[in-house]
Formats: sequence, structure tokens, C-alpha cells
Amino acid sequence: DTAVSQTPKYLVTQMGNDKSIKCEQNLGHDTMYWYKQDSKKFLKIMFSYNNKELIINETVPNRFSPKSPDKAHLNLHINSLELGDSAVYFCASSLTMAGGEQYFGPGTRLTVT
Amino acid sequence: DAKTTQPPSMDCAEGRAANLPCNHSTISGNEYVYWYRQIHSQGPQYIIHGLKNNETNEMASLIITEDRKSSTLILPHATLRDTAVYYCIAVNSNSGYALNFGKGTSLLVTP
Repeated sequence: DTAVSQTPKYLVTQMGNDKSIKCEQNLGHDTMYWYKQDSKKFLKIMFSYNNKELIINETVPNRFSPKSPDKAHLNLHINSLELGDSAVYFCASSLTMAGGEQYFGPGTRLTVT
Repeated sequence: DAKTTQPPSMDCAEGRAANLPCNHSTISGNEYVYWYRQIHSQGPQYIIHGLKNNETNEMASLIITEDRKSSTLILPHATLRDTAVYYCIAVNSNSGYALNFGKGTSLLVTP
């Protein structure tokens, strides 16, 4: 059983398009996250949700909109994609909001052409 | 959260112990030291964490100095599959959530 899953694994799209990445965790965790890893391999937090409520929004452009339909799912929708959005996006979850122990998904490699 | 400093890269022979250092001289009393690793093209993986005492689990041991200004992650018998980037992160126990991954240490285990 996969603990944290993401779909799709790869996403290639053109500038200006809108796309979504889905994340699901079957660990019963309360808190979920989106991280972005750029071409230089730096991994940075984008959003954090706790029980479907937004906790962190780290100066991410408002073209990025996370949505949490329930605490097991945290989806990421991106409008008007730009070349600079090309990166690997990782979803993660933790038992609680104070969770330093986070479980990461396999990542979604987004390429914007 | 306190800043951590790690060497950019290290080598280790297969079967030997890999000792990965981390400096966190500004760590505060309620900050834990967490270690993660990222194997190429995979998501980060939690390894171990500690506050003051040394910790051991099935993956590794964590040695924290008495003044808590530095720590060492020990992989007792490194294998080729341990080749990865290792991250040392200080996490506030009251508001853990966002993990601030730095540059980490790229560990290469050689045959």
C-alpha cells in the first residue's frame, strides 16, 4: 500500500495552460503539504493544510491554488503555467501540525514548454 | 528555526560506517534535530530525530553533543543504496510543519 501517492508522475504542458496535481494519503494524518524542488534541487515549502484548513502559504503566486476536499487529499491547481513553474512537486503528510516526521510522495515532474 | 550547516559532499566505502556531521549552533531549547535523506528522483525520506539524547533506530543512530550545537548521523554499515543527499533540519516542537531543507550533504557510497 502506497502511503502518499501523487498523480500524475510526469506532466508536460505548454505555457498558459491550467493543470492539476492530485495527492492522497492513506495514513490517517491530519496535515498535508506541498513542496517544490527546483532545478537547483532546493526543496521549499509551498502550502500546508491541517484538517482541510490552510495553515501555511509561503509567498506562492496566486496562480497556485491548493484544494483539500477532505483531510486525506490535497490537490494543487496551477493556472496560466509559466516556464519557471517547471520543477518537481512533492506532496507530504504528517500525523499532526507539529509533525517534523513527514512522509513524502514520489513527486510530480512538471515541465512547461 | 535554527540554521544548520553541513558539508556539501562525503564519500564512504561500502560496509564502513558513514558519519555525517551537522552544525546547529543557534538551536533553541524546543527545537529538535531531524534527519532526512533523498535518494535520486525520489521523495525525501525521514530517518531519525532527537532533542538531547542519542537516538537509534533500524536505519541509523543520531549523536547530539551535550551543548546541542552539533550532531552526527551514523549509518553503521553503509550500502550502495545509502547513496543520497542527507538533510539535517532543526524543527520547532511547537510549530513543526514546514521543513526548511538546506543544501544537505551528498553522500556517495563506493564499492
